[in-house]
This record gives sequence, C-alpha cells and structure tokens, in this order.
Amino acid sequence: AQSVTQLGSHVSVSEGALVLLRCNYSSSVPPYLFWYVQYPNQGLQLLLKYTTGATLVKGINGFEAEFKKSETSFHLTKPSAHMSDAAEYFCAVIPKSSGDKLTFGTGTRLAVRP
Amino acid sequence: GAVVSQHPSRVICKSGTSVKIECRSLDFQATTMFWYRQFPKQSLMLMATSNEGSKATYEQGVEKDKFLINHASLTLSTLTVTSAHPEDSSFYICSAREIGTGNQPQHFGDGTRLSIL
Repeated sequence: AQSVTQLGSHVSVSEGALVLLRCNYSSSVPPYLFWYVQYPNQGLQLLLKYTTGATLVKGINGFEAEFKKSETSFHLTKPSAHMSDAAEYFCAVIPKSSGDKLTFGTGTRLAVRP
Repeated sequence: GAVVSQHPSRVICKSGTSVKIECRSLDFQATTMFWYRQFPKQSLMLMATSNEGSKATYEQGVEKDKFLINHASLTLSTLTVTSAHPEDSSFYICSAREIGTGNQPQHFGDGTRLSIL
C-alpha cells in the first residue's frame, strides 16, 4: 500500500530563515503529489501539487516543492519564513493507478520564532 | 473559486443524539466528496467516499450504520453521526473534488468539531 512519510513531526525556524519540510513516498511508480496546510480549527488548504512536467512546483504564499524521482521525495521549501506560516503541513499522494483517494502523511507542525 | 462550505463548525450535544453535518461545494460541481476524521494532533483518516446518486464507499473499520452518508446532489453531501457517544467526539472534515481526473485537487471544508458529552 502507498505510504507517505514526513520526517519531523515538529519543525521550528526563526522568522526569515529557510523552511524545509520533508516528504517521501513509498511507491515505485511516482504518484500525484500534494502539499496542504492546516491552520488551527480549520480545514486544509492546497499549497501546491505535482502531477507531471516541471519537477519544481511553485505554490501559494511563497512555497515551492521539488519532485525528485531518484529520492522518492517531494520536499516543501520557503526561502524566508513568516510568522503567519506557523501551521500544520501535510504531504499527500494519490496513486496514478488507483483512483482518487488521498493518502496523507502524519503532518509536520511548523513553529516560527520571532 | 473552489469553495467548500461545511456546516456546522461546532456541535456540542448529549450522548445518544444524532448529528448531521453538511458539506456543500459552492461554485463547482462535485460527483465525489470525501469525509475524513481527524483526532487531536494526528493526520486525516478517510472515513468514506461519497458518490452522487449512489451509495457511499466506506473504509475498512468504519461503521456505515453509524456514519450515514447521503450525496443527494452534485453540490451537497451530508454525514449523520447516529446515536453519538463520547468516543465519536472528533474533528470531521469534508472535501470535494471537481469533476475530472483523479489528479484534480480536493478542496476542503473548514471542518466540524463534534463534542459529545
């Protein structure tokens, strides 16, 4: 079964510092890849997705992610963290072969220090 | 665009009560909607896939008689937690996928926090 691994359940960075949130998938065939953000007591908002084409994907709020097939990774980055980036981030996948169910990683809580 | 409205946002009720949660796609049509459950500080667990005009598909371990799903139109799905008990307390989130291929992103509602006393 497809699985998604997010290394680091908690990440803390200083304001203005680089944000790096890690995501690895387990399948031999690359799935469709997504990053979502969740603010407290809210649903999920799509940050970006990779389906095909250019491996560096730009999303909202200055985030981007790079698909690396050789590393089965889809890490999320942002050059300079803002206080407003503090939230829970979920990596998710949809296998290309089996329909439309999202499988989520366990999430990474990002804290931004002033 | 692509707004999903979920109502109510919070419910507090007594044990034994049935609770209905609505999920509406406001500006797009969704043949498929999804219902998730999220425990504190945990990821989302898919409960069921709701298909317009047909029966919902439940994930393993989810009681379909406990969690009734109705997808009456292309813009509305409802989840009814029947005879709710304290262990049903959780954050329930719906999502809707625009008509198209499986790689279309799901758009999420803001969730419903259910507290059973």
